Amino acid sequence: EAGVAQSPRYKIIEKRQSVAFWCNPISGHATLYWYQQILGQGPKLLIQFQNNGVVDDSQLPKDRFSAERLKGVDSTLKIQPAKLEDSAVYLCASSPASSSAGNTIYFGEGSWLTVV
Amino acid sequence: GDSVTQMEGPVTLSEEAFLTINCTYTATGYPSLFWYVQYPGEGLQLLLKATKADDKGSNKGFEATYRKETTSFHLEKGSVQVSDSAVYFCALYTGGFKTIFGAGTRLFVKA
Repeated sequence: EAGVAQSPRYKIIEKRQSVAFWCNPISGHATLYWYQQILGQGPKLLIQFQNNGVVDDSQLPKDRFSAERLKGVDSTLKIQPAKLEDSAVYLCASSPASSSAGNTIYFGEGSWLTVV
Repeated sequence: GDSVTQMEGPVTLSEEAFLTINCTYTATGYPSLFWYVQYPGEGLQLLLKATKADDKGSNKGFEATYRKETTSFHLEKGSVQVSDSAVYFCALYTGGFKTIFGAGTRLFVKA
């Protein structure tokens, strides 16, 4: 079974530029997550989709971050304009549709962003 | 609100030493509990989980027991290897597709 795919793996941009990250979840997984992981910290949920609807985007800085999952499959996270503090790893993850006990989340390898 | 607290790292051990990483939680209801591991340069991956009180999750020589009375889910391994060097995250799931992660504990194992 293919895992969660993310691209690009690494990106260096200047502040005020824009960047987009792409994610393809595991086939059949209805829930898709974008997490931000700053060096030395745990993952922080930015946005969570159930199919193509947003379940939780309470911690997404909406003035500069946007995300979409148009057909309920792959997703794009965009940052525009980027700030120095956006330097982090952006982790995409997915989980199956069922919310039964033990909601295991499957992570991609992450997209490493450095803003200079 | 729901939360997870892990012991601060880094934890540095010699090969074959005994490992304990403490994790306690606060949650309403009956959460499922997880340990995820993140190896250098990689994303997180599930290490083990327990879905109800007194369950023991185990994988790759690691184990953790869901203790409802102490609201804990401590990670243990009897004999660590250099390849176990990674960051370990405790997490809880209380339903509604919402998983809360701890801050992570970095483990260094010396040969």
